[in-house]
Amino acid sequence: SQTIHQWPATLVQPVGSPLSLECTVEGTSNPNLYWYRQAAGRGLQLLFYSVGIGQISSEVPQNLSASRPQDRQFILSSKKLLLSDSGFYLCAWSGIGGVEQFFGPGTRLTVL
Amino acid sequence: SQKIEQNSEALNIQEGKTATLTCNYTNYSPAYLQWYRQDPGRGPVFLLLIRENEKEKRKERLKVTFDTTLKQSLFHITASQPADSATYLCALVTGGFKTIFGAGTRLFVKA
Repeated sequence: SQTIHQWPATLVQPVGSPLSLECTVEGTSNPNLYWYRQAAGRGLQLLFYSVGIGQISSEVPQNLSASRPQDRQFILSSKKLLLSDSGFYLCAWSGIGGVEQFFGPGTRLTVL
Repeated sequence: SQKIEQNSEALNIQEGKTATLTCNYTNYSPAYLQWYRQDPGRGPVFLLLIRENEKEKRKERLKVTFDTTLKQSLFHITASQPADSATYLCALVTGGFKTIFGAGTRLFVKA
């Protein structure tokens, strides 16, 4: 069966510090991968998606970036965090041709 | 502009009753519409998918309808239980790999 991991679960970072969130998927090959951010009481905002290694599409211009160094690894990064980067970050995957998405447990990021 | 609207007010119902949640959208032509459940502090969990050419889909106590003329989907939970209390997200799938999520509606089922 497929599983998706995200870490860390919670993170408190000062403004201006760097960020690296990691997501890995097991039990499937060549998944589509997604990064979302969810602000309190709001919907999921798609940040990045990837259909293959090294292929990243950005949905929202901002100070975040994403990379996919391996087939089942998706990394969300920032060089300098802003207060507005606080939120709940979710990684998800879907199969080739599949539309239902399977989400990881999420990372709660607080920028102080 | 494109919008997905779900009732931002929480829905409170009594155990055993049917819960009905609404999802309205404008300026989209979705190929699919999905419903997810999200518990506090957790990632969403996929529940049901309905295609644009389908009117209704059922899965156990869940039923989804999809009216592309009204641009609306209704999500029903029959014989609701306190364990059904959660936030339910509507999501549209447009062309390509893009899925757009609504903000969700919180459901509270009282025993």
